[in-house]
Amino acid sequence: DVKVTQSSRYLVKRTGEKVFLECVQDMDHENMFWYRQDPGLGLRLIYFSYDVKMKEKGDIPEGYSVSREKKERFSLILESASTNQTSMYLCASSSLSGTVYEQYFGPGTRLTVT
Amino acid sequence: TQLLEQSPQFLSIQEGENLTVYCNSSSVFSSLQWYRQEPGEGPVLLVTVVTGGEVKKLKRLTFQFGDARKDSSLHITAAQPGDTGLYLCAGVGNAGNMLTFGGGTRLMVKP
Repeated sequence: DVKVTQSSRYLVKRTGEKVFLECVQDMDHENMFWYRQDPGLGLRLIYFSYDVKMKEKGDIPEGYSVSREKKERFSLILESASTNQTSMYLCASSSLSGTVYEQYFGPGTRLTVT
Repeated sequence: TQLLEQSPQFLSIQEGENLTVYCNSSSVFSSLQWYRQEPGEGPVLLVTVVTGGEVKKLKRLTFQFGDARKDSSLHITAAQPGDTGLYLCAGVGNAGNMLTFGGGTRLMVKP
């Protein structure tokens, strides 16, 4: 089974702190994603990476950066946390199944910025 | 940006009832996926529909992709409390690897 793990299930940080969210997948997937999930808005893509050291902005990259130094690990960084970044953060990796990509999600990190 | 609208946003029904969740867009997608998310967990892929007009069944769940590949529906027959969760549709773009998610339908099935 594909396993995507995230470093923390719950995190509380203060405004202005630098925050690191870590994600690790064990299936040698090339593609990895960071989403945030807010009620009624579904999942919105922050950043994705299709290879080591490669990254592309998603729909809402402002206030975030990412790092992918190893294939299995994709980190999301909040340079200076703000209260509007309080949210559920989901990491995913994907692989091709036939002609369709399937995404596998981690359990999420619920971040509260006070 | 392609947008996907899901309806209803919330649904609370009794065990044994039938229900349908809709996912609509003005854009065409190469395929469409449905995910289910339980509290405290990430979404889990249920099905991918690829061809316009395609119907797929997963036990009591029936998924349909519209002929024009702009919309989809999920029908649950004889809902059970174990069906409770957040159902998300996601459109797959032409690149094949990027998903656009709908806002989700939160389903509660009461025993």
